[in-house]
Amino acid sequence: EADIYQTPRYLVIGTGKKITLECSQTMGHDKMYWYQQDPGMELHLIHYSYGVNSTEKGDLSSESTVSRIRTEHFPLTLESARPSHTSQYLCASSESTSGNYEQYFGPGTRLTVT
Amino acid sequence: GEDVEQSLFLSVREGDSSVINCTYTDSSSTYLYWYKQEPGAGLQLLTYIFSNMDMKQDQRLTVLLNKKDKHLSLRIADTQTGDSAIYFCAESMDSNYQLIWGAGTKLIIKP
Repeated sequence: EADIYQTPRYLVIGTGKKITLECSQTMGHDKMYWYQQDPGMELHLIHYSYGVNSTEKGDLSSESTVSRIRTEHFPLTLESARPSHTSQYLCASSESTSGNYEQYFGPGTRLTVT
Repeated sequence: GEDVEQSLFLSVREGDSSVINCTYTDSSSTYLYWYKQEPGAGLQLLTYIFSNMDMKQDQRLTVLLNKKDKHLSLRIADTQTGDSAIYFCAESMDSNYQLIWGAGTKLIIKP
């Protein structure tokens, strides 16, 4: 069973507010990922990290930022939320062993910006 | 570049078998995966297959891999209403520790 947590599960916030979506895992995985997904649609990688103090932007351009100060924690921040940021945000983690990059997912945060 | 393709919808009758298909482009992929996503939830790994295997079976799930055609399929026997979900196919990328994802197939169960 995967131990990866996201808070909050649901968030409704006004335009212009700063928000941080939390993601934590207790499995000691070195790699972590943030995906953006509109309901029922494909996944878009927006950020990833291969370890502490390592962060990279993903395939989809995003106005969000991330940090990785501790192995278990990978928060995502939006400095000024806009309605176009309304979506579901999924956090995942993995450890690479022998080429198996299986990712474990959190339950997601459903963000609505009004 | 790398690409994973799936049809967007599949409709089957309860009790029948469901077969969800996926094609991929990177012949060097080491592992291929099937994930399930129920409404409002994250993704859950259903099964994966190592690239040197042709078939893997786990209870009601059968995965078939045709490396020559770069084709992966997931068969769900005796489909139940609880199988209603979106199923994502993914391939591993050894070069950057990432997964390349298909767009997902929504499985619709008819009574």
